[in-house]
Amino acid sequence: AQSVAQPEDQVNVAEGNPLTVKCTYSVSGNPYLFWYVQYPNRGLQFLLKYITGDNLVKGSYGFEAEFNKSQTSFHLKKPSALVSDSALYFCAVRAYGNNRLAFGKGNQVVVIP
Amino acid sequence: EPEVTQTPSHQVTQMGQEVILRCVPISNHLYFYWYRQILGQKVEFLVSFYNNEISEKSEIFDDQFSVERPDGSNFTLKIRSTKLEDSAMYFCASSDARGLEFEQYFGPGTRLTVT
Repeated sequence: AQSVAQPEDQVNVAEGNPLTVKCTYSVSGNPYLFWYVQYPNRGLQFLLKYITGDNLVKGSYGFEAEFNKSQTSFHLKKPSALVSDSALYFCAVRAYGNNRLAFGKGNQVVVIP
Repeated sequence: EPEVTQTPSHQVTQMGQEVILRCVPISNHLYFYWYRQILGQKVEFLVSFYNNEISEKSEIFDDQFSVERPDGSNFTLKIRSTKLEDSAMYFCASSDARGLEFEQYFGPGTRLTVT
């Protein structure tokens, strides 16, 4: 079975500082990895994905994530956080051959002005 | 930018009643999904649908649940006899036809409250 762990409930960061949201995964075979963001009263918005190739993937709004196979991690990063980045962030994994996304519990990111 | 829409945004129903949650996926997408999120818990996969049939379902998706694509635009989730534990946010999603590695696009959700 596939699963995702997001160990922190909330991440607080000062505006302008680097932002990191952690994610580790468990899956049989090669993983397909995704990050989504949810703003209040909105659906989950796709940020970026890792399928294959370069371990560093870039996505929307200046976010990037690094796939580390040996550590089974896919941490989300942004070099300089904005107040508008305050939201709920979800990591998800899908195993090759099935449709379902397995989500982590989400991390609330609070960017302090 | 095209988006997935869902109606209603909030549905309140009494235990034992039937509810239908509606979704309009992105128009050129052919894979459709339902997920749910019980308050304070993870987003959980319920079912995926392709070519007018269920392609995968979770253990949560029992005989009380059904999905349908009644026309060319809508995708519905029916719960036949709601239970208190069905109270959750239900998300519809759709993805491109080109392959399973493509991202799923989510709607804003329907909050179902069973009393």
